[in-house]
Amino acid sequence: AQKITQTQPGMFVQEKEAVTLDCTYDTSDPSYGLFWYKQPSSGEMIFLIYQGSYDQQNATEGRYSLNFQKARKSANLVISASQLGDSAMYFCAMTPRRYSTLTFGKGTMLLVSP
Amino acid sequence: GAVVSQHPSWVICKSGTSVKIECRSLDFQATTMFWYRQFPKQSLMLMATSNEGSKATYEQGVEKDKFLINHASLTLSTLTVTSAHPEDSSFYICSVGGGTGISKNIQYFGAGTRLSVL
Repeated sequence: AQKITQTQPGMFVQEKEAVTLDCTYDTSDPSYGLFWYKQPSSGEMIFLIYQGSYDQQNATEGRYSLNFQKARKSANLVISASQLGDSAMYFCAMTPRRYSTLTFGKGTMLLVSP
Repeated sequence: GAVVSQHPSWVICKSGTSVKIECRSLDFQATTMFWYRQFPKQSLMLMATSNEGSKATYEQGVEKDKFLINHASLTLSTLTVTSAHPEDSSFYICSVGGGTGISKNIQYFGAGTRLSVL
């Protein structure tokens, strides 16, 4: 079974600053994928970034980067240069490579202030 | 990434009626679609995996007869909430997976359906 833990219920950041959202995971599968999704108040789930467990380099997608520390079982999301539109709920998720079902964490609400 | 259309976005119904929610993959053929449920201020919980041409696989605790899933084509899966009751009021959201290359590991979501049962 997989488990995702997001310990920060809410985070505040000022516009243009960087912010790190924490995520730790637990799995017995040797091969897995880690994901971050953004859910604004409208409800849609927007895919942000993906990291495979055997990927040598940390994933980056524009202002998003995933700080993957395999030994610590952590997959923190770093958002650089925060924008007001980044205010949303952020979910960390994982799936074993063998099949595709996603397990989500409880989420972190990010509020970006001017 | 994949473009997923979900309809309706919002539905209000009377207790005892059935509601059908559609999930369409607009730009690739999806052999697998997923249905999730999200209560207010909570995370997404997988309800079932919808496989084209075969029966859906339901998660433990999800009533098969209550939540009917039909995946009749590679681009369409439907979730029917039968005899809906107020406790079924929730946000239902579908996702599509299984693209090609790196995208095969990624699920892309529809915009979700907010169901309110009176």
